[in-house]
Parts: sequence; C-alpha cells; structure tokens
Amino acid sequence: SAVISQKPSRDICQRGTSLTIQCQVDSQVTMMFWYRQQPGQSLTLIATANQGSEATYESGFVIDKFPISRPNLTFSTLTVSNMSPEDSSIYLCSVGRSSGLRPEAFFGQGTRLTVV
Amino acid sequence: AQSVTQLDSHVSVSEGTPVLLRCNYSSSYSPSLFWYVQHPNKGLQLLLKYTSAATLVKGINGFEAEFKKSETSFHLTKPSAHMSDAAEYFCVVSEEEGKAGNMLTFGGGTRLMVKP
Repeated sequence: SAVISQKPSRDICQRGTSLTIQCQVDSQVTMMFWYRQQPGQSLTLIATANQGSEATYESGFVIDKFPISRPNLTFSTLTVSNMSPEDSSIYLCSVGRSSGLRPEAFFGQGTRLTVV
Repeated sequence: AQSVTQLDSHVSVSEGTPVLLRCNYSSSYSPSLFWYVQHPNKGLQLLLKYTSAATLVKGINGFEAEFKKSETSFHLTKPSAHMSDAAEYFCVVSEEEGKAGNMLTFGGGTRLMVKP
C-alpha cells in the first residue's frame, strides 16, 4: 500500500487568490495524479504529474490555472490560481501502484476548497 | 478508450436487505476494475478490485462483485445492508495493464442510502 498525506485538508479562500495543495507519499512513485470532485459530481482527472517533466493536462484544464510541481518522486503540489467560486471542490491527489499484473490506486484524504 | 456507467445515481435499501449497485463498462482491452467507497468527509477507500484470478471478487465489509465479460458488467452486491454502508460508491476502470501509475476512469457514482 501507499500512504498519502495531503494538506491542507480544507480551506476557505477569497476569490482572485491562489491556493497550493501539497501531496506527500511515503514511497517513491513514478506518476501522481490530481483529481477534482465538484459538489455532487464524480472525480475528474485534472492532470498527471511526472517527475522531471511537465505535467500532462486533461481537456478543460490548463497549466496557467492549475500549475503543478513535481520536484521529486515522493512529492507534488497543485496550485489553484485566481480562484472563483466555481473552483469550490474537493481536490484529490492519487498515486498508482502495480500489484502483480493489476494496478491499484491510492488517494489522499482530499482538500476541501471553498471560494467566497 | 474506456468508459464507465453507473446505472443508478441513488439507491435506497432497508437495513438487512440486499444491496445491488450496478456498473457497466466499455474497454478496448482487458480492463482492471475497482469499486471505491467514499464516506462523508472521508477519502476514497478501495472496496475490491478485479484480477483475472477469479470473476467473483470478494472485498471488505461483506461486499463482492462479479466480473461478467459477456455483459461488460461489474455489479457490486452485499447480502445484508448495514447502516454504516451509507456512502457514495464509485465504479472505476483502468485499461492499461501492468503499468504503474495507471489513470483511472470513474463512473458517476451511486449514493447508497440505508433506512432503519
């Protein structure tokens, strides 16, 4: 298994400001993922963060809005920039691990963001 | 491409009665399949995952799921619901076999309500 520490666990922010979310894993992983869960919705992948290269963003998400850092194999940050109330969501960090031939995923506890 | 459809957004059962949460998937290859549960204000927890060893997969808390390739289904069941089972359940598919850090595609989620 993998233990993921994500912080902050929650925050209330003013519109127009930025928030950086940290994700720390207890072991080295190649790829880390950032998801967003809007109220009443399922999880949506924002981007994949690879160590040593630019993050890969999914359709609808851009680097200027969600810059990601991945300085080493156990840590990543996601910044939500120039926030608006529509950014109010839970943001989740995730890592994957192969168990035999089958992968499984592990998740942080999430960051509950409210933008006012 | 892969996709997941959870056929019911809400399911309500009485305590002690069976639970059935339906999930259909599409995949170009042999998929990996998971069920996750999310309790209020908690992170995602893996209930069970499909491996090729057996089509009937047993998970935690008495849940199980049966992989039916001919029906492209992976329905989640439990013989007797408990009040603590009330939560959001996600069916998840991952298509890339044997690769660490696989991306996941989430179903829309099913909210399970358990009545006393």
